[in-house]
Amino acid sequence: DAKTTQPNSMESNEEEPVHLPCNHSTISGTDYIHWYRQLPSQGPEYVIHGLTSNVNNRMASLAIAEDRKSSTLILHRATLRDAAVYYCILFGNAGNMLTFGGGTRLMVKP
Amino acid sequence: GAVVSQHPSWVICKSGTSVKIECRSLDFQATTMFWYRQFPKQSLMLMATSNEGSKATYEQGVEKDKFLINHASLTLSTLTVTSAHPEDSSFYICSAGTRGRGEQYFGPGTRLTVT
Repeated sequence: DAKTTQPNSMESNEEEPVHLPCNHSTISGTDYIHWYRQLPSQGPEYVIHGLTSNVNNRMASLAIAEDRKSSTLILHRATLRDAAVYYCILFGNAGNMLTFGGGTRLMVKP
Repeated sequence: GAVVSQHPSWVICKSGTSVKIECRSLDFQATTMFWYRQFPKQSLMLMATSNEGSKATYEQGVEKDKFLINHASLTLSTLTVTSAHPEDSSFYICSAGTRGRGEQYFGPGTRLTVT
């Protein structure tokens, strides 16, 4: 399985943008990049996903490097409710499973 | 997004008893449901994949006779922890999705405490 590498933790100030990096140097051509987040004592929540082009939705933006070996989840204005563990996961069409790594624990300071 | 529920949200049981956890997709039909376990301060670990109408596929190291999974319909999967022991105490989370698609919708989790 292609693996992802994320920093263990990051800190941000409220209402400032946050850039959460993810390295996936062994990504294959058919792997989608998915991001989920998990708030304390809750199940994970889907955030965004993409293949090659940058993606935007109401929650976040996903910037994918041209070589697809890394990506960045962008929260445009962090709020206290964005404090969570963010997981970057590769999903291949041939498979059906999400494999969770360690994720990045985002702390948001007021 | 789609809604997945779990019941109960928390349960305390005595060692040696069995506990059933339900996972329901409320507004869509899920061809595949997944069961995860999460210990404190750790990531989610996939236990098994449940396909409607067929036997579950268990991950390596997960005892299929201890963690019984039934996926009787496109909206319901159940996980039964049999003969529970204190080391089975954990946060159990299910998710539902459609085969071949990466978006999964997670339930709120069930916290199991075995005394």
